[in-house]
Amino acid sequence: NAGVTQTPKFQVLKTGQSMTLQCAQDMNHNSMYWYRQDPGMGLRLIYYSASEGTTDKGEVPNGYNVSRLNKREFSLRLESAAPSQTSVYFCASKGQGAGTEAFFGQGTRLTVV
Amino acid sequence: KQEVTQIPAALSVPEGENLVLNCSFTDSAIYNLQWFRQDPGKGLTSLLLIQSSQREQTSGRLNASLDKSSGRSTLYIAASQPGDSATYLCAEAGTYKYIFGTGTRLKVLA
Repeated sequence: NAGVTQTPKFQVLKTGQSMTLQCAQDMNHNSMYWYRQDPGMGLRLIYYSASEGTTDKGEVPNGYNVSRLNKREFSLRLESAAPSQTSVYFCASKGQGAGTEAFFGQGTRLTVV
Repeated sequence: KQEVTQIPAALSVPEGENLVLNCSFTDSAIYNLQWFRQDPGKGLTSLLLIQSSQREQTSGRLNASLDKSSGRSTLYIAASQPGDSATYLCAEAGTYKYIFGTGTRLKVLA
């Protein structure tokens, strides 16, 4: 019962480098999300995908791009990393219907130096 | 724009105490409300989801209530244990978006 799997778990980047955070879910959920979590700021939505083939900006999309590769996978790309993107990144997924819950991955701790 | 607030930011209680965690929201037209637990360095674990048409949900020692008219949700933990120590987050669980509070960090002292 894997649920939501994120890779990598930890990453250190130099300013200006690029990288892609990977997320996969095995629950056949339609919706997938990327959040970042910063001390004192809580979780903030970066991008989300309501269904396969669609993506939308969240609260803090600048500096990020996403790809909904298929129903299972939703990746987050940092094209040119900045120290302000140092954070913990969480991927989540949610099924359809009023009573469905969101499930979260274990997070990726990213440090940009 | 919906805003979700959790006060206090941190709470310490002795083992065995019953406690209440608070969550306030500004827009009473809330869709659903979900409570999560987060252990240090870990992801979020769903505890309870209350749909907008419901008043409360229960799971074991946990009971969550929702009062849309007052803009409040509470998470009641009965007979607290050291293993309950974690950060508790509430969120408006919208159709596609979740809006989170900043959490209450709970420490249960043995």
